[in-house]
Amino acid sequence: EVQLVESGGGLVQPGASLKLSCVASGFTFSDYWMSWVRQTPGKTMEWIGDIKYDGSYTNYAPSLKNRFTISRDNAKSTLYLQMSNVRSEDTATYYCTRGQIRGRVMDAWGQGASVTVSS
Amino acid sequence: DIQMTQSPASLSASLEEIVTITCQASQDIGNWLSWYQQKPGKSPQLLIYGATSLADGVPSRFSGSRSGTQYSLKISRLQVEDIGIYYCLQAYSAPLTFGSGTKLEIK
Repeated sequence: EVQLVESGGGLVQPGASLKLSCVASGFTFSDYWMSWVRQTPGKTMEWIGDIKYDGSYTNYAPSLKNRFTISRDNAKSTLYLQMSNVRSEDTATYYCTRGQIRGRVMDAWGQGASVTVSS
Repeated sequence: DIQMTQSPASLSASLEEIVTITCQASQDIGNWLSWYQQKPGKSPQLLIYGATSLADGVPSRFSGSRSGTQYSLKISRLQVEDIGIYYCLQAYSAPLTFGSGTKLEIK
């Protein structure tokens, strides 16, 4: 069974940094593009970016590129999202997703990690 | 960025009714369109990819279609378990962009 389990969310102060992790199981992690997507409290969905199966290429939403970094450790079957200088508008549930067809079809989603940015 | 205009924002329909949700792309995206269902309290799940292909395990009452830059998701006979929020996603070019969502309820 394909499973994606995010962790690392919580309450964080504005301007701080936070790193989310997503542990994958049930499939060969190193064969797949992976993505991060977030959903605001108002239910708006936003694509954050993705990473190639070997970690050699990343792609980001332009509005987040300077503050968010996606990486992966294939030996640990783990995807990461490093968030820096967080703002209140980063408050959201963060999902990691598995991608088919060069990451363009998200065929598996994690349960989500909740991040709240507040002082 | 490619804009995806999704409608309606909310929809209340009766059991067994036919339901249609649409997404209008701001430019040609070919068949790089997928649909996702998010049941209450759950993560989104893939329903349709490539505009018309049904994902594994998805009931056949769901179908997708395309007419130019307009994409539609149809539920042929609405069931109780279909309530939730539905999103379209264009993956033709980065940044990938979602529609604003359609909240589906039972009347």
